[in-house]
Amino acid sequence: AQSVTQLGSHVSVSEGALVLLRCNYSSSVPPYLFWYVQYPNQGLQLLLKYTSAATLVKGINGFEAEFKKSETSFHLTKPSAHMSDAAEYFCAVSEGTGFQKLVFGTGTRLLVSP
Amino acid sequence: ETGVTQSPTHLIKTRGQQVTLRCSSQSGHNTVSWYQQALGQGPQFIFQYYREEENGRGNFPPRFSGLQFPNYSSELNVNALELDDSALYLCASSLKQTSTDTQYFGPGTRLTVL
Repeated sequence: AQSVTQLGSHVSVSEGALVLLRCNYSSSVPPYLFWYVQYPNQGLQLLLKYTSAATLVKGINGFEAEFKKSETSFHLTKPSAHMSDAAEYFCAVSEGTGFQKLVFGTGTRLLVSP
Repeated sequence: ETGVTQSPTHLIKTRGQQVTLRCSSQSGHNTVSWYQQALGQGPQFIFQYYREEENGRGNFPPRFSGLQFPNYSSELNVNALELDDSALYLCASSLKQTSTDTQYFGPGTRLTVL
């Protein structure tokens, strides 16, 4: 079974600082990886996904992630944090034969201070 | 284009009761997946429906069942509710059920079991 691990349940940054949210995956086959964001009392919104094309993936709201096979990582970054980025972020890996099951990490809450 | 909608928003039930949650998929999407998100956790895959048939299931007991209708809307039914069933239930729709497809999530139904 495939899995993802998100290091750090909470990450705090100042507005304007670099955002780095960590995700490591475990997979016996080339993985398909996703980052989702969840704002309070809302569902999940896709930020970006890796489907074995370019290793550097650009998403919405200025976020990007780099797939590194040698490190089994897919960390999410944003050069400059904004107050509106405060939310819960989930990394997920896709698995299933004949169907698609997303396996999510436990999430990282991003706190942005002024 | 209408996104994924879910009803009701909130629900309170007592242990042993039965509950039905509803989901309308995004226009043109024929695949619906259901996830359970316990407080402070990432979503857990319950099952997926494709063209009215269940085509994949996670580690949930049979008292969790579902339906998909010809218009691709879906229901999640939970019988004999337990306290641990208290969670946010998320519905997601997608164009296909392949590993690289994007799942679009609804806002969720928060179920409280007393």
